[in-house]
Amino acid sequence: NAGVMQNPRHLVRRRGQEARLRCSPMKGHSHVYWYRQLPEEGLKFMVYLQKENIIDESGMPKERFSAEFPKEGPSILRIQQVVRGDSAAYFCASSPEGQGNQPQHFGDGTRLSIL
Amino acid sequence: SQQGEEDPQALSIQEGENATMNCSYKTSINNLQWYRQNSGRGLVHLILIRSNEREKHSGRLRVTLDTSKKSSSLLITASRAADTASYFCATANIQGAQKLVFGQGTRLTINP
Repeated sequence: NAGVMQNPRHLVRRRGQEARLRCSPMKGHSHVYWYRQLPEEGLKFMVYLQKENIIDESGMPKERFSAEFPKEGPSILRIQQVVRGDSAAYFCASSPEGQGNQPQHFGDGTRLSIL
Repeated sequence: SQQGEEDPQALSIQEGENATMNCSYKTSINNLQWYRQNSGRGLVHLILIRSNEREKHSGRLRVTLDTSKKSSSLLITASRAADTASYFCATANIQGAQKLVFGQGTRLTINP
């Protein structure tokens, strides 16, 4: 069984460009979560989505960041007009439907570097 | 201080010794989870302990939870070089059980 797949693994953008990060959850999982990790720090929750719905976006910056999880295809985290402070590792996790006491399964992340 | 703070921040021990890491949190929780992260990789789930459980074992791992003190510990027995990694505790709060709140992590180094 394939795990959570994220691509690209590394992404380099110049300031002002757009970054698109993709996440395919584990087979059978319909809940997706995005986290951001700065160097030497823990992960910070950004957004929680189900198919076609944003459930909790309390960790998302108010501007430039958006996320979607369409009916077909991967979940996308989109960062518009990137700035140096957006440089971080972005992790996606998934879990089975409606399971409050289930672990989340993580991908290997996308490391975003802003020049 | 933040929810899910680990202590110590870094730990270096000899292979074969036991490693103990602690985690404190602030709010009421649904469960607490421990994850391992190898350098440059994603997080690997180790153990989930529910708020009504006090102790859980998995192989060489032992996790305790004290909800009265809002703290948890992770014990790795008979450590191996392959255990070298960062270890994070994460809490799922009652209000938002699906949203994990992570601590800063403990960087564990096992010396051969």
